[in-house]
Amino acid sequence: SQTIHQWPATLVQPVGSPLSLECTVEGTSNPNLYWYRQAAGRGLQLLFYSVGIGQISSEVPQNLSASRPQDRQFILSSKKLLLSDSGFYLCAWLRSSYNSPLHFGNGTRLTVT
Amino acid sequence: KQEVTQIPAALSVPEGENLVLNCSFTDSAIYNLQWFRQDPGKGLTSLLLIQSSQREQTSGRLNASLDKSSGRSTLYIAASQPGDSATYLCAVKSGETSGSRLTFGEGTQLTVNP
Repeated sequence: SQTIHQWPATLVQPVGSPLSLECTVEGTSNPNLYWYRQAAGRGLQLLFYSVGIGQISSEVPQNLSASRPQDRQFILSSKKLLLSDSGFYLCAWLRSSYNSPLHFGNGTRLTVT
Repeated sequence: KQEVTQIPAALSVPEGENLVLNCSFTDSAIYNLQWFRQDPGKGLTSLLLIQSSQREQTSGRLNASLDKSSGRSTLYIAASQPGDSATYLCAVKSGETSGSRLTFGEGTQLTVNP
């Protein structure tokens, strides 16, 4: 069976510090991978998605970047965090066929102080 | 641009009641619609996926319907239980490529009172 791991679960970082959130998927190959951010009030915003190694599509210009160094690994980064980067970050994956369900990790609660 | 709306934003019901959550979308050219459940502080759990060619999907006490032409989906929960308390989100998938985005509604926060 397929599983998705996302860590850390919570993170408190000062403004201006770097960020690295990691997500890995097991039990499948060549998944599509996604980073979402969920602000207070429940809305989900797609930040990045990737259909293969080294292929990153950015949905929203911002202080963040993403990389996919391996087939089942997706990393969300920032060189210098802003207060507005605080939120709940969710990694998700689906099989690379357009009618597959999307599956989420447990999320990372990021607080920038 | 696809927009997804969920009504009501919050719902409180007594245990045992049957209930319906609504989801509407503006562009009927979708590939599928997915319902999720989110517990506080947790990720989203996939409940049901309805393909654009399907009218409904069932899983246990859950039944989701899709009327693509009218841009509507409903999630029916039978004999609700306190453990069903959570936020329920729907999302529609549009576009031709497998990397195409899902558009999410803002969710319905359900509370089932014992």
